[in-house]
Amino acid sequence: NAGVMQNPRHLVRRRGQEARLRCSPMKGHSHVYWYRQLPEEGLKFMVYLQKENIIDESGMPKERFSAEFPKEGPSILRIQQVVRGDSAAYFCASSPPGDRAYEQYFGPGTRLTVT
Amino acid sequence: QKEVEQNSGPLSVPEGAIASLNCTYSDRGSQSFFWYRQYSGKSPELIMFIYSNGDKEDGRFTAQLNKASQYVSLLIRDSQPSDSATYLCAVRAGGYQKVTFGIGTKLQVIP
Repeated sequence: NAGVMQNPRHLVRRRGQEARLRCSPMKGHSHVYWYRQLPEEGLKFMVYLQKENIIDESGMPKERFSAEFPKEGPSILRIQQVVRGDSAAYFCASSPPGDRAYEQYFGPGTRLTVT
Repeated sequence: QKEVEQNSGPLSVPEGAIASLNCTYSDRGSQSFFWYRQYSGKSPELIMFIYSNGDKEDGRFTAQLNKASQYVSLLIRDSQPSDSATYLCAVRAGGYQKVTFGIGTKLQVIP
């Protein structure tokens, strides 16, 4: 059973470009979460999605950031017009439905560098 | 007051000793508690979860929960250098799926 997959693992963008980060949850998992982590800092919740629904986006910046989890395909975190402050590790996690819905399993992360 | 508080460390223990990692949380309605291990440059890995007051043991790891004191801890027995990592405490508030993470405690096991 493959784990949570994220790609790309490393992404370099120039200021003003768009960054698209992809996350494929574990098989059978229906919940996806995105987090951001800066060096020497904790994980910051960004958004929680289920298929075709955003459940909680309270951690998402109001501008430039969006997320989706379509019926088919991976979840996408999109950052428009990136700035240097967006440089961070972005982690996706997934969890199964039912009683174990709170157990989150993390992907390897995407390291975004904005130059 | 932060929702989930941890001492960032580093906590240094000699090899073979018991490492004790602590976490407090502010929401009395919290239902589920998790410990994640994160090696430098890697992603967090779920190592323990506990939902009820008391102790839960898994191998060398024991999670302890005291809801009255709003306190959760992780004990690592017979600490090994390979246990050196940052340990993140995570808490889910009642009736809601969002999990809040603490900043993590860096553990160093000295050979």
